[in-house]
Amino acid sequence: QVTLKESGPVLVKPTEILTLTCTVSGFSLSNARMGVSWIRQPPGKALEWLAYIFSNDEKSYSTSLKRRLTISKDTSKRQVVLTMTNMDPVDTATYYCARMGALGGYYYVMDVWGQGTTVTVSS
Amino acid sequence: SYVLTQPPSVSVAPGKTARIICGGNNIRSKSVHWYQQKPGQAPVLVVYDASDRPSGIPERFSGSNSGNPATLTISRVEAGDEADYYCQVWDSSNVVFGGGTKLTVL
Repeated sequence: QVTLKESGPVLVKPTEILTLTCTVSGFSLSNARMGVSWIRQPPGKALEWLAYIFSNDEKSYSTSLKRRLTISKDTSKRQVVLTMTNMDPVDTATYYCARMGALGGYYYVMDVWGQGTTVTVSS
Repeated sequence: SYVLTQPPSVSVAPGKTARIICGGNNIRSKSVHWYQQKPGQAPVLVVYDASDRPSGIPERFSGSNSGNPATLTISRVEAGDEADYYCQVWDSSNVVFGGGTKLTVL
């Protein structure tokens, strides 16, 4: 069974750095063209993609947030980590990680999602 | 940057057919994917590459991308289909989501 689970702080202060971890099971981050994406959703708003990383270390970041984001993976720990700097109250959201690359030749589609973790930015 | 446009809401009676559209520049040239999100839950992939379904998704969910806009069609709508639906593509190394459409079952 494929699962992804997000973990990280529930509350962060403005200007702090947010570090989120996605721990995966049921598949390997070293499988060919396997990847993980991070997506967030502010309360009552739409989904917003943040970043992805693939097994070959291909990475990409949201154009609007690129300067604040870093994504990395630890294959042996089965984890993908996202850091976001200079947190602001507008970054309050539910953050999801999701698997990519598992549907044949369709790499940039997310077929399994984690349950999400809610992050509040407040002093 | 690439933009996907969806209507904010669509309403349909039970048993009828719902169509949710997703517009974008030259969208016909892209692989379009659709997600269903019920309140308080994570999104679920219901259609990928415009018309393929992941295992476990009912045949009532189908899609097309033969022109602009791309369309998600839900046949024989049930109360349990009430949710937000998002389209998604990949463009210039970016994943792009539409703004979402709230499907209300009357």
